[in-house]
Amino acid sequence: QKEVEQNSGPLSVPEGAIASLNCTYSDRGSQSFFWYRQYSGKSPELIMFIYSNGDKEDGRFTAQLNKASQYVSLLIRDSQPSDSATYLCAVKSVEKLVFGKGTKLTVNP
Amino acid sequence: GAVVSQHPSWVICKSGTSVKIECRSLDFQATTMFWYRQFPKQSLMLMATSNEGSKATYEQGVEKDKFLINHASLTLSTLTVTSAHPEDSSFYICSASTGKEKLFFGSGTQLSVL
Repeated sequence: QKEVEQNSGPLSVPEGAIASLNCTYSDRGSQSFFWYRQYSGKSPELIMFIYSNGDKEDGRFTAQLNKASQYVSLLIRDSQPSDSATYLCAVKSVEKLVFGKGTKLTVNP
Repeated sequence: GAVVSQHPSWVICKSGTSVKIECRSLDFQATTMFWYRQFPKQSLMLMATSNEGSKATYEQGVEKDKFLINHASLTLSTLTVTSAHPEDSSFYICSASTGKEKLFFGSGTQLSVL
C-alpha cells in the first residue's frame, strides 16, 4: 500500500511568517512530487512540482525534496491570509497520483 | 493552464436514482482521465483511471458496476453513479492528463443522496 503522510494540522502562523508543511511517502520508487492547494469546497490547484533532490523556488513558495529520507516539504514565505487553505502533498507512483490527507493552514492577520 | 470543465457542480438526488457527472477537457486532448472521491476532511481517493476508447481501470474496493465510467472521446469522460445511496454522498473530482506530468482538475461535483 503506497502511502503519503501529512500532519493534518491545523497549522497556524501569523501574517508575514514562514509556513512549513511536511510530507513523507512510502514508495521509494516515486519520481514526481506535487503540492496542491485546496480551498474548502473547491478542487485542488497545483502550486508546485519537484522531481530532483534539493530545493525549487517559485515566488514565495519553495519545495524541498529529500529522496533518501522520502521527505518533501513546502515553505511559504511572507504568508498571507489568502494562503489559508488545505495543502495536499501528492506523489506519483506507477502513473497514479497518491494524495496525502492534507494539512490545514491558517494565516492570522 | 489547461481547463477542465466538470458539471454539474452539485446535485441532490433521491436514493436509488442514477447520477451522471461529465468531465471535459476544453483546450487540450486528454489521453487519460482520473476520477477521485473526497469525503469531508479526507484526502482525494482515486476511484478509477480511464483512457479514451478502452475500459476504465478501477481501484481496489471500487465497484465497477456501481460507478460506470465512459471515456468516449479525448475530451469527454463521464462518471455515472448508479442506484445512488446516502453513503455515496461525496465530492467527486475529475482530472485530466495530457500524458505529461501535470494533472488538471475539474471544479468538482458535490453529490448529496437523500
